[in-house]
Amino acid sequence: DIEMTQSPSSLSASVGDRVTITCRASQMIGRYLNWYQQKLGEAPKVLVYAASTLQSGVPSRFSGSASGTDFTLTISSLQPEDFGVYYCQQSYSTPLTFGGGTKVEIK
Amino acid sequence: EVKLVESGGGLVQPGGSLRLSCAASGLAVNSNYINWVRQAPGKGLEWVAAFYTGGSTYYADAVKGRFTISRHTPNNTVHLQMNSLRPEDTAVYYCTREKGAAPNWFDPWGQGTLVTVSS
Repeated sequence: DIEMTQSPSSLSASVGDRVTITCRASQMIGRYLNWYQQKLGEAPKVLVYAASTLQSGVPSRFSGSASGTDFTLTISSLQPEDFGVYYCQQSYSTPLTFGGGTKVEIK
Repeated sequence: EVKLVESGGGLVQPGGSLRLSCAASGLAVNSNYINWVRQAPGKGLEWVAAFYTGGSTYYADAVKGRFTISRHTPNNTVHLQMNSLRPEDTAVYYCTREKGAAPNWFDPWGQGTLVTVSS
C-alpha cells in the first residue's frame, strides 16, 4: 500500500500569511496526487488534482506542486474562509490512500 | 448538475448488517467509477471500496470479505452491503465519483450517511 505522510498536522496562521502543506508518498506516484478541503460537517471538496491543476472555481491563491515523491499545497495569502482540514490523496493505485490531514486555523 | 445522495445509515449492533445506497443524478453509474470513502468521528478519510465501469470491484483490506459494492443500473444507484459490522466501522460514509482519465480525483461527493455500530 502507498502511505501518504502529511505535515504539519495542524497550523495556525494570520490572514494574509503564506501557508504551505506538504505530503510525501512512500513510493513514486507521478502526478497522481489530489488535494481536498473539508469544513466541519461538510463533505470534502477537491481543490487541486493531478498535483498542480486547480479545480474550476477554486481561488487562484491555491496552488499545488510536485517534486519526486514530495507534494506541496500552497495558499499564497490566507483568507478567513480557508479554515478547515486539508487532505492529500494518491490515485496511483488501489487501495487509494489519504494523508492524515492538516487542520488550518485562522489566528 | 451532477449529484450523489447517500441513504441507509443508522444504528446497528455489532455483527449486524446494513445496506447503504448512493443515488446518482446527472451522471450514469455504469459509465463512471463510483467509490465509497468513510470518516470515523474526529478522524481522517479512509477509502473503502470502488466499482469500476468494466464491473471490477476493489476493497480496502479492513472491509474485504465483509462489504460488497454493487451497481443497479436501472435505478442509477450504487450500493454498499455491509455485513459482520464492527464498532470500528462507525463512520460517516461518503459516496463519490472518481473523475478524470488517469490521474483521477474524487468529484463530486455526496453529503454522507452516518453508520453507528454499537450495542
